[in-house]
Amino acid sequence: EVQLVESGGGLVQPGRSLKLSCAASGFTFSNYYMAWVRQAPTKGLEWVASITNSGGSTYYRDSVKGRFTISRDNAKSTLYLQMDSLRSEDTATYYCTRDDVYYGFAYWGQGTLVTVSS
Amino acid sequence: DIVMTQTPSSQAVSAGEKVTMSCKSSQSLLYNENKKNYLAWYQQKPGQSPKLLIYWASTRESGVPDRFIGSGSGTDFTLTISSVQAEDLAVYYCQQYYNFPLTFGSGTKLEIK
Repeated sequence: EVQLVESGGGLVQPGRSLKLSCAASGFTFSNYYMAWVRQAPTKGLEWVASITNSGGSTYYRDSVKGRFTISRDNAKSTLYLQMDSLRSEDTATYYCTRDDVYYGFAYWGQGTLVTVSS
Repeated sequence: DIVMTQTPSSQAVSAGEKVTMSCKSSQSLLYNENKKNYLAWYQQKPGQSPKLLIYWASTRESGVPDRFIGSGSGTDFTLTISSVQAEDLAVYYCQQYYNFPLTFGSGTKLEIK
């Protein structure tokens, strides 16, 4: 059974940093692209970043480019999102997803809430 | 960026009724090399993570009931629920995975009368 378990969310002040983790199991992690998708409170879904299966290429939405870094450790089957210079508009539930390139986001974690506030 | 426009934003139907919702993209999602439309539909029930329902615009994900039907091509897509059940109460999102940045529609909230 595919499982994606996020951790690392919490309350952080504007301008500070936070690192999210996603532990994957139930599939061969190194074979798949992975992604982070977020959802602000009462809002819709917003793709944040994707990473290829090897980690050799990464993709970001413009609003997080230069502030967020997606990475992965295939030996640990873990996906990361390093978030720097956080802003209030980054407040959201962050979902770890398996990015099945030809099929969309086939699996989702339960999400971890990030609140950026002073 | 490809803009995804979903209508209506919400609708209320009675159990057993048929419902359709629309998703339009600002450019074609049809990949000519394989003739596939890179369009997915997701269902998000209250308090839950999204769930993939349909990919390639019309292919049902494994385990998804056959009352969920995806159709359309190019820039115009439709999700039909042939006979709505109470458990279908959710927000439905379309998403293009044709190119980056990947983009979602704003969602259609389905309410059960």
